[in-house]
This record gives sequence, structure tokens and C-alpha cells, in this order.
Amino acid sequence: GAGVSQSPRYKVTKRGQDVTLRCDPISSHATLYWYQQALGQGPEFLTYFNYEAQPDKSGLPSDRFSAERPEGSISTLTIQRTEQRDSAMYRCASSLGGPSGSEKLFFGSGTQLSVL
Amino acid sequence: SQQGEEDPQALSIQEGENATMNCSYKTSINNLQWYRQNSGRGLVHLILIRSNEREKHSGRLRVTLDTSKKSSSLLITASRAADTASYFCATDAVKGGGNKLTFGTGTQLKVEL
Repeated sequence: GAGVSQSPRYKVTKRGQDVTLRCDPISSHATLYWYQQALGQGPEFLTYFNYEAQPDKSGLPSDRFSAERPEGSISTLTIQRTEQRDSAMYRCASSLGGPSGSEKLFFGSGTQLSVL
Repeated sequence: SQQGEEDPQALSIQEGENATMNCSYKTSINNLQWYRQNSGRGLVHLILIRSNEREKHSGRLRVTLDTSKKSSSLLITASRAADTASYFCATDAVKGGGNKLTFGTGTQLKVEL
């Protein structure tokens, strides 16, 4: 696609429910990132993928959080048994992917999650 | 955890003035990037500087990198009201970093008419 697309744009859920967020990266991009951003803060790293491989998931806050990218393109972030502290903007980004180090990231508009 | 910290946290200037914001980080890096975020919207990449570079320009932006001090600065010259935004530095650590990009806490810039 022309840019990084995230859905839904807004998600309101009740505590204890599971939610799944979707990210459709730029089609030629190998690397895909998930970030969590609280209001007034910088994005906090959650995890990233190189194609379907997930080299680093050290930023996932707990085992309630998981991410997949089974075919190396679209990715989902699932939060099980949501808690109020999970409320935040979840941002996806993609990049071409370089042999060493990161490259320019293209961000989607984000999914604003509210857990009531 | 955030690898970088921007300074100042907030900056208010008049249109036409220059704005300088700084970023300090903790570990050796491959490169450092600056991003802009307008009022809760998505982040937009501004400039990337590699660890073997000391200065880079792009339009009204000038970025410096001092790896010995683990710091970078972003200078916006002749600021405009449209430059009002939050600015974040982002780094990837050499050791164990892979492609992981870690963002700082941000500087909130307000440019007044």
C-alpha cells in the first residue's frame, strides 16, 4: 500500500476482554515495529519483525501481549484480558530494513485503545 | 525504558527565531534519528545521522552528533508556526540492538506568531 495502515482507529473495550489490533505495512518493507505511546510521552518499543521472524519482543509488558506476522506482511497485536493500564495509543511502523542498524521508519496513524 | 532524553522538555519561541533541542543517550549507537509529531498524530521522520557522521543538514534542519558525549542536537532555523510539534530522537544500540529503535521523551516546541 501507499502507507502504513492501522485498524481500528479507535477501540473501546471492557476490562478483561481480548483485543486485536491490525497493521498493514508498506508492501516492500521487511521490518515492522509495534510501539505503545502514552499521552505526552515518547513511543515505547514493544516488538519488531524482520519478515515473519520476531527477533526482539523484549518490550512486551507481559505475557498478555503477543504479536504475529505469519506471512511477513500484515501483523496483529493481541492483548488478552485487557486492563485499564493498557489504555494507550498503539503505533505500528515499517521500514525497508537494513543489514545493520535501523533505517527510516514510516508510522501509521495508530490505534487508540481505551479500556474501561 | 527510554534510551534517549530530550532537553528541554518544552520550548516556546517566536516565529523566525531558531529552535535548538538536545538529545542524550546511554549506549553506543549505529545511528540516531529525529522525528516530529504534530498534536497526537503520527510520527514523521525528519533526518537520520549515522554514528560516523558529525553533522547533517536538510532544508532548515541541522543535526549534530557527538558520540563521545553521547548527545545530539537538532536546530530548526527560521522557525514557523507550522513547526509547532513534539520532537523525538530515536537510537538503535550497537550491542544487541538489532533493528530495535528506541525513542526519547520528546521536546514540545511551540512557535508563536
